Amino acid sequence: DSGVTQTPKHLITATGQRVTLRCSPRSGDLSVYWYQQSLDQGLQFLIQYYNGEERAKGNILERFSAQQFPDLHSELNLSSLELGDSALYFCASSITGTGVDTQYFGPGTRLTVL
Amino acid sequence: AQKITQTQPGMFVQEKEAVTLDCTYDTSDPSYGLFWYKQPSSGEMIFLIYQGSYDQQNATEGRYSLNFQKARKSANLVISASQLGDSAMYFCAMREIGYQFYFGTGTSLTVIP
Repeated sequence: DSGVTQTPKHLITATGQRVTLRCSPRSGDLSVYWYQQSLDQGLQFLIQYYNGEERAKGNILERFSAQQFPDLHSELNLSSLELGDSALYFCASSITGTGVDTQYFGPGTRLTVL
Repeated sequence: AQKITQTQPGMFVQEKEAVTLDCTYDTSDPSYGLFWYKQPSSGEMIFLIYQGSYDQQNATEGRYSLNFQKARKSANLVISASQLGDSAMYFCAMREIGYQFYFGTGTSLTVIP
């Protein structure tokens, strides 16, 4: 158990819908990262937050948004869902947003868009 | 250019044998970290081992060791005495200071009894 929690574990929804994925980082970690893993795209970095502020942005679609709250938990919002958004979404956390500290991953949320 | 390259999409190893999973990286930053993660079929990403660019010695964690060759920009993972539970996808990753993590495409390892 990495100490990073993600809810829900599984999510099945329809095209056009909106969902929210939630992540709680390890105790003491200030930085949260979101990744999307699909069969054809591999592990794609989406976005990073550090202590509530956006730190880095990767291949995140405009339909997706995220935030980190004062208690350091983070939410990833996916809207106008398409079939291609079906994937495993990981949250990871690390102590700082800089340096080369290790990222620890949550168990992931498996999103299926029908 | 790819930041992390894993050239072996699939590998097979006999139980109890050692196996090396290849990883090369690309950076001009003098300070960086290299990581290996394991993803079993259940889906979770498990941190295995870390090597800092200034570390003089190769990192080891139990049966895992990282063969760090800085001049060649390679960071191969060596798993000794393979076990059936080692069958999984293995990802190499790099982080330059202040920047995001870069992941390779992964190597699927199958341990044969």
